[in-house]
Amino acid sequence: GNSVTQMEGPVTLSEEAFLTINCTYTATGYPSLFWYVQYPGEGLQLLLKATKADDKGSNKGFEATYRKETTSFHLEKGSVQVSDSAVYFCALSDFTGNQFYFGTGTSLTVIP
Amino acid sequence: DAGITQSPRHKVTETGTPVTLRCHQTENHRYMYWYRQDPGHGLRLIHYSYGVKDTDKGEVSDGYSVSRSKTEDFLLTLESATSSQTSVYFCAISGAGKPGAETQYFGPGTRLLVL
Repeated sequence: GNSVTQMEGPVTLSEEAFLTINCTYTATGYPSLFWYVQYPGEGLQLLLKATKADDKGSNKGFEATYRKETTSFHLEKGSVQVSDSAVYFCALSDFTGNQFYFGTGTSLTVIP
Repeated sequence: DAGITQSPRHKVTETGTPVTLRCHQTENHRYMYWYRQDPGHGLRLIHYSYGVKDTDKGEVSDGYSVSRSKTEDFLLTLESATSSQTSVYFCAISGAGKPGAETQYFGPGTRLLVL
């Protein structure tokens, strides 16, 4: 079946540090992959996505590359800011596009 | 921002009472979803709808029912609320089925406390 596994949190970093949040997936067919971000008290917002192997999604300095050979979609940012403090969810949609599977979320806190 | 609203935003209720949560969209998207979010579990799908009057169960559907009589509205009902249903509930929509339109967009959430 389909599933997403992401690294456990919480993660605490100093401002301007490099961020990696690992995400691996199991899927049949050719899923699309997503990163969502949730700020306190809010719903999930799409951060970036990739719809086929080797695609790189990017937004607001965050990047993730769809790696079919390692079934991974790791989130990276070169220099985090305090405003990046949030919970990050990795997700996939199956080949039908109407079923979504989410990881358990990784909480990030960035300290000045 | 996608036009999705949820009501109520907060609710406190007692065990055994029925509760209905409403999701309203202005995007004319075909698919609508209800999730619950709990610590350590991330998001879990309760039910989803792929059109008016067309619904299906998700991973954690026991104790919940849904209805969709109009494209824009998707209702989630807890038939007889239990304390285990205390959670944050999120509605989501997508235009799934169209190439490149599979992204989900989320509402602001409803925080439900069952005493």
